[in-house]
Parts: sequence; C-alpha cells; structure tokens
Amino acid sequence: GAGVSQSPRYKVTKRGQDVALRCDPISGHVSLYWYRQALGQGPEFLTYFNYEAQQDKSGLPNDRFSAERPEGSISTLTIQRTEQRDSAMYRCASSLDGTGGTDTQYFGPGTRLTVL
Amino acid sequence: AQTVTQSQPEMSVQEAETVTLSCTYDTSESDYYLFWYKQPPSRQMILVIRQEAYKQQNATENRFSVNFQKAAKSFSLKISDSQLGDAAMYFCAYRSNFGNEKLTFGTGTRLTIIP
Repeated sequence: GAGVSQSPRYKVTKRGQDVALRCDPISGHVSLYWYRQALGQGPEFLTYFNYEAQQDKSGLPNDRFSAERPEGSISTLTIQRTEQRDSAMYRCASSLDGTGGTDTQYFGPGTRLTVL
Repeated sequence: AQTVTQSQPEMSVQEAETVTLSCTYDTSESDYYLFWYKQPPSRQMILVIRQEAYKQQNATENRFSVNFQKAAKSFSLKISDSQLGDAAMYFCAYRSNFGNEKLTFGTGTRLTIIP
C-alpha cells in the first residue's frame, strides 16, 4: 500500500471491554512498531516486531496489553479489560529493515481510543 | 535509559522569518541517530530530518537544517523562510544504534506561524 494504515481510526469503548487495534504496514517492511501517545505528549514505545518475531515488548504497560504479527505483515494490538487510563492515540510505524540505524520509521494515522 | 528534552512548549514566528527549535538529550552511547518529526493538525507523524551521530556535518533538507552539537548533546532544528504550512507540533527523537530500534521522543514544541 501507499502508507501505513490503521483501523479503526476512532474507537470508543466502555471500561472493561476488550479492544483490538489493527496495523497494516507498508508492503515489504520488515519492522513494525507500536507507540502510544497521550494528549500533549510525544509517542511512547510499546513493542516492536521484526517479521513475525516480537523483539521487544518492554514498553507494554501491563499484561492487559498484547500484540501479535503472526504472518509478518499485519499486526494487532489487543487491550483487555480496558480502563479509562488506556485512552490515548495508538500509533503504528513500519520500517524497511529495522536493523539499520538510519532506517526511517513511517507512521500511520493512529487509532484514537476513548474508554468511557 | 535515554531521555529527550524539548524545553520550549510553544514557539511562534512571523511568516518568512527563521525560527529555531531546541532539543537536548541524554545518553551514554556514542553511536545513535536523531530525528525531527512534524505533527500537523491532522495528527500525522511526518519525518522532517535525521542526523547520524557519527557525522559531523549538519543535515539539511530544503528549508530545514539542524545544529548538531554532540559534546553538548544538543540537536536544534532551524526552519528558514517559515510558511503557514509549517504550523505543527515538532518532536525530537533519539534512536540507539545498539540493538534497540525504538524511538524515544521529547514532549514536543508547538510552532505557530503568524501571517
């Protein structure tokens, strides 16, 4: 595709519900990253994948958060038993080959999650 | 852990003038990469410019240039001939060259262009 896409763009859910956020990276990109951005803040790292392997999940705030990328392309970030503090913009980014330091991360438009 | 600090929450500049956005970072590493991203009202994240720490020459991209001072751990962004379309949040970001691929962002600077 032309760029990183994310769906849904907006998600409103009630506290306690599970949500699944989807990221479709740029075709051929090996590395995929998830970030969370609170209002007025910069994005904060959650986790990243090279192909289907989850390389680092140190940024996931607790065990309610999980991510997968089973076929090395599309990724899903799942939040179980959502809480109001989970409300934020969730951003996905992909890069051609994450092993290169200059490799640019291209960001998707984000999913704005609101937990009522 | 690395940290990135942007000490200017807001800046404004007259159209066609030049503005400089500040960024400092803290790291014990010698090899890393620095980036400026732009976030317009649409809330997209757009790469503006990047700098490799091992390069002494400052990066430039058209009207955008950086002043990279490695010893001072400073990485400022200069925007020349400011245009209305430059109005956005600007984020400075750090990336290690040692295995961890994540970007560490500052808190951002909101730039307003005055017509």
